[in-house]
Amino acid sequence: EAGVVQSPRYKIIEKKQPVAFWCNPISGHNTLYWYRQNLGQGPELLIRYENEEAVDDSQLPKDRFSAERLKGVDSTLKIQPAELGDSAVYLCASSAQSLENSPLHFGNGTRLTVT
Amino acid sequence: DQQVKQNSPSLSVQEGRISILNCDYTNSMFDYFLWYKKYPAEGPTFLISISSIKDKNEDGRFTVFLNKSAKHLSLHIVPSQPGDSAVYFCAASGMDSNYQLIWGAGTKLIIKP
Repeated sequence: EAGVVQSPRYKIIEKKQPVAFWCNPISGHNTLYWYRQNLGQGPELLIRYENEEAVDDSQLPKDRFSAERLKGVDSTLKIQPAELGDSAVYLCASSAQSLENSPLHFGNGTRLTVT
Repeated sequence: DQQVKQNSPSLSVQEGRISILNCDYTNSMFDYFLWYKKYPAEGPTFLISISSIKDKNEDGRFTVFLNKSAKHLSLHIVPSQPGDSAVYFCAASGMDSNYQLIWGAGTKLIIKP
């Protein structure tokens, strides 16, 4: 079984520039998550999709962040414009069912550095 | 307000000995707990979980203990191996969090040869 695939692995941009991250979940996984992880902290949920519907985006800074999951498979997360404080690792995860039946499977993340 | 706390940023254990990683939580509505392991430059990988109806769950060298009255869980690794060196995250979920995972800050485990 192929894992969750994210690209790019690393991205360095100047502040005020846009950036986008891409995620391909495990085949058959209906639930997709985007997390942000700062150094020395646990992951923080940004948005959760059930198929193509965003069912929890309460933690997504909507003034500059946007996400989409067309056709309920791949997903992109965009930041425009990026700020210095957005430097972090952005993790995508997917799961098939509820947490008790199917723990989250994470990709290797995209490390974003905003200069 | 940190609902899930891992108070030890790091832990060093001799190879072959027992590693005990601790996690405390404040929300009594949490009913499902998980441990994830993370190597550098990789995403977290699921290790073991426990439901609040149990007080112990075992999988090979890994055992998780849950003390609901103390709102405390621990992960025991025995015997510890060099490949266990990683950051370990505790996470919890329940009705209050809409069943989304609330994560601790992680504990870096170093296994000394």
